[in-house]
Amino acid sequence: AQSVSQHNHHVILSEAASLELGCNYSYGGTVNLFWYVQYPGQHLQLLLKYFSGDPLVKGIKGFEAEFIKSKFSFNLRKPSVQWSDTAEYFCASSGSSNTGKLIFGQGTTLQVKP
Amino acid sequence: NAGVTQTPKFQVLKTGQSMTLQCAQDMNHNSMYWYRQDPGMGLRLIYYSASEGTTDKGEVPNGYNVSRLNKREFSLRLESAAPSQTSVYFCASNTQGRNTEAFFGQGTRLTVV
Repeated sequence: AQSVSQHNHHVILSEAASLELGCNYSYGGTVNLFWYVQYPGQHLQLLLKYFSGDPLVKGIKGFEAEFIKSKFSFNLRKPSVQWSDTAEYFCASSGSSNTGKLIFGQGTTLQVKP
Repeated sequence: NAGVTQTPKFQVLKTGQSMTLQCAQDMNHNSMYWYRQDPGMGLRLIYYSASEGTTDKGEVPNGYNVSRLNKREFSLRLESAAPSQTSVYFCASNTQGRNTEAFFGQGTRLTVV
């Protein structure tokens, strides 16, 4: 079965530290990849997406992600985190589906200490 | 612009009770989805509707039924709630096709006691 794996389940950083969250997907064909963020008590919001083209994708709030096909990876990065980035982050893939169904990773809880 | 609206936001049920979670979107999207979110497991697809009049099972459909009432509305029904269905439920929608992004509702936090 197709899957998405997030390596870090709980990350604690101080403000201004750099962030990298790992994400690997299993499907070897053409995939769409997403990072969603869920702030406490809120719904999922799209941070960024990759469909094709430039493998370095820039999203909202200073986040970016790099698609590396040879490594089946789509890691999320931010050079300097803020307290307001405290949230849960989900990587997702469309897999082989063209119906818009998403396969989610387990999620990473990020806690930023002021 | 409301986007995807779910009701209720919170619900407590006793084992064996039934309930329907409602979802409506105002973005004229063709496809709608129900996911459940459990700690350490991310979101898992329960059912989806690729277009009005069609529904299909997702990864974890057991214990649930759905109805795509019209293009806007997609409801999820628990006929006989079980404690294992305690979860946060999210409805989502997107346009048809591959290169699209999903929009999510605020979620329904359901506790079955």
